[in-house]
Amino acid sequence: SQTIHQWPATLVQPVGSPLSLECTVEGTSNPNLYWYRQAAGRGLQLLFYSVGIGQISSEVPQNLSASRPQDRQFILSSKKLLLSDSGFYLCAWDRGRETQYFGPGTRLLVL
Amino acid sequence: QKEVEQDPGPLSVPEGAIVSLNCTYSNSAFQYFMWYRQYSRKGPELLMYTYSSGNKEDGRFTAQVDKSSKYISLFIRDSQPSDSATYLCAMSVGGYNKLIFGAGTRLAVHP
Repeated sequence: SQTIHQWPATLVQPVGSPLSLECTVEGTSNPNLYWYRQAAGRGLQLLFYSVGIGQISSEVPQNLSASRPQDRQFILSSKKLLLSDSGFYLCAWDRGRETQYFGPGTRLLVL
Repeated sequence: QKEVEQDPGPLSVPEGAIVSLNCTYSNSAFQYFMWYRQYSRKGPELLMYTYSSGNKEDGRFTAQVDKSSKYISLFIRDSQPSDSATYLCAMSVGGYNKLIFGAGTRLAVHP
């Protein structure tokens, strides 16, 4: 069966510090991978998606970037965090079918 | 106007009640409809998935799609305190599979 991991689970960072969140998927190959952000009490905002190694598409211009160095690894980064980057970050995967499966999420608080 | 509208609630019901959760949408090209359940501080988990119009039943849960009215519903029978969560509707036109999410409805089932 497939499993998706995210770490860290919780992160508190000062404004201006760098960020690296990692997502890995097990039990499948060549997945489509997604990064979402969920603000408190709001829906999911798609940030990035990737259909293959090194292929990244950005949905919204922002302070964040994404990379996919390996088939089942997806990384979300920032060089300098802003207060507005606080939120719940979710990684998801699919195999081109119509449903996505989500990881446990990373809660980021920027102070 | 948002592509997908969902009443954020909160919705509070007694144990054993029938719960009705709804979303409306504006894009008539949507063909795939999903319901996700999200417990506090967790990632969303896929609950129900339907294609096109009609009903789909899974245990205490029934998903209903009315494409003519651009309206989808999730019914929960014999609701339990463990059903207390936020319920997110999501939909897509298929293909690349960009999901559009509602904002989520927070449900509380009290004993």
